[in-house]
Amino acid sequence: DVKVTQSSRYLVKRTGEKVFLECVQDMDHENMFWYRQDPGLGLRLIYFSYDVKMKEKGDIPEGYSVSREKKERFSLILESASTNQTSMYLCASSSGTSGSSVRGEQYFGPGTRLTVT
Amino acid sequence: DQQVKQNSPSLSVQEGRISILNCDYTNSMFDYFLWYKKYPAEGPTFLISISSIKDKNEDGRFTVFLNKSAKHLSLHIVPSQPGDSAVYFCAATTNAGKSTFGDGTTLTVKP
Repeated sequence: DVKVTQSSRYLVKRTGEKVFLECVQDMDHENMFWYRQDPGLGLRLIYFSYDVKMKEKGDIPEGYSVSREKKERFSLILESASTNQTSMYLCASSSGTSGSSVRGEQYFGPGTRLTVT
Repeated sequence: DQQVKQNSPSLSVQEGRISILNCDYTNSMFDYFLWYKKYPAEGPTFLISISSIKDKNEDGRFTVFLNKSAKHLSLHIVPSQPGDSAVYFCAATTNAGKSTFGDGTTLTVKP
């Protein structure tokens, strides 16, 4: 059974703290994604990665960075958390290299609800 | 500039009737479309997809229709069941693999 896990379901951090959100998939997928979900704004792509050590900016990368040192693990880093980064963060993975297969369905983790105070 | 829009934030239908969820897009580079369902406290799960070379794809009670000229797609659920109550997201993808999601429509199926 396909599985994407995220390190925490709920997280509370203070403004200015460095925050790490971890995501692990066990499906040997090439592609991994980080989104944030906010009411009325749907899912917005922060960063994605097609391969180990590769990363691409999504639609809202400002204030975030990512790391992919191993194929199964994709980390989202908030260098200095701010209150406007309070959100639900969703990690996803999908199979396929570039080309038609990269459009395929994404498998999502359960999400991390981050609150920055 | 929102490239994928779901104009109805919510929809309520009776059990057994048809549910129709709509999605509009503006970017003509999108060539693959997906629908996801999301229950509270869970991540979205894939439901059904359609390539731009088709205008219809069916999977059991779920059918997706694509009208390329209108840049519009819709998801039909027949018959609707209470377990279908969830938030439904449409997503549009280019050949670069990035998916752009709509805001979601909350479907409530009343017994």
